[in-house]
Amino acid sequence: KAGVTQTPRYLIKTRGQQVTLSCSPISGHRSVSWYQQTPGQGLQFLFEYFSETQRNKGNFPGRFSGRQFSNSRSEMNVSTLELGDSALYLCASSAGGGTGLYFGPGTRLTVT
Amino acid sequence: QQQVKQSPQSLIVQKGGISIINCAYENTAFDYFPWYQQFPGKGPALLIAIRPDVSEKKEGRFTISFNKSAKQFSLHIMDSQPGDSATYFCAASTRAGGTSYGKLTFGQGTILTVHP
Repeated sequence: KAGVTQTPRYLIKTRGQQVTLSCSPISGHRSVSWYQQTPGQGLQFLFEYFSETQRNKGNFPGRFSGRQFSNSRSEMNVSTLELGDSALYLCASSAGGGTGLYFGPGTRLTVT
Repeated sequence: QQQVKQSPQSLIVQKGGISIINCAYENTAFDYFPWYQQFPGKGPALLIAIRPDVSEKKEGRFTISFNKSAKQFSLHIMDSQPGDSATYFCAASTRAGGTSYGKLTFGQGTILTVHP
């Protein structure tokens, strides 16, 4: 099976802009989670989607949002970008029930 | 109460040695404890995971030891190889309160270097 894929892999944006990141889960996985990874804060949970419904949300401002489509693909959006949003954004998928969360390669976002 | 504390921050081991990384948690509702390995430029890869009903789980050279009463768990890498040099993360999750295992609380990571 193909792994989790994320597009784009690298992105440079300017402060104040918005950005949309895409994720395709492993085939058959219906749960998709998003994480932010930075050197200072480590890996932090953003949100989780299951069957197009947000099931969990982390402690991030409302500028961070996401959605899941009927084919389980997911997108996350960050509006009004700030310098501190520069990070590696990771998408992960799971078949559920504690079967394991599998991460994609991430999208490296740089905000200038 | 949601924290997972990981130590050491960095670890240097000789080839063939044993690497040991420790984690401690506070939330007694955690009931799923995975370990991840991350190489530079890659996403974290699931190595091995354990639930609190067992005290040890082994997969190849990787072993998780779990101490429920102490709220601690550790990763042991036997016969460490230079190819094991990476950052290792412990994590914890719970299904309590309507959440799911898609929400992981991660430790801060351990940079492992295995010298040839």
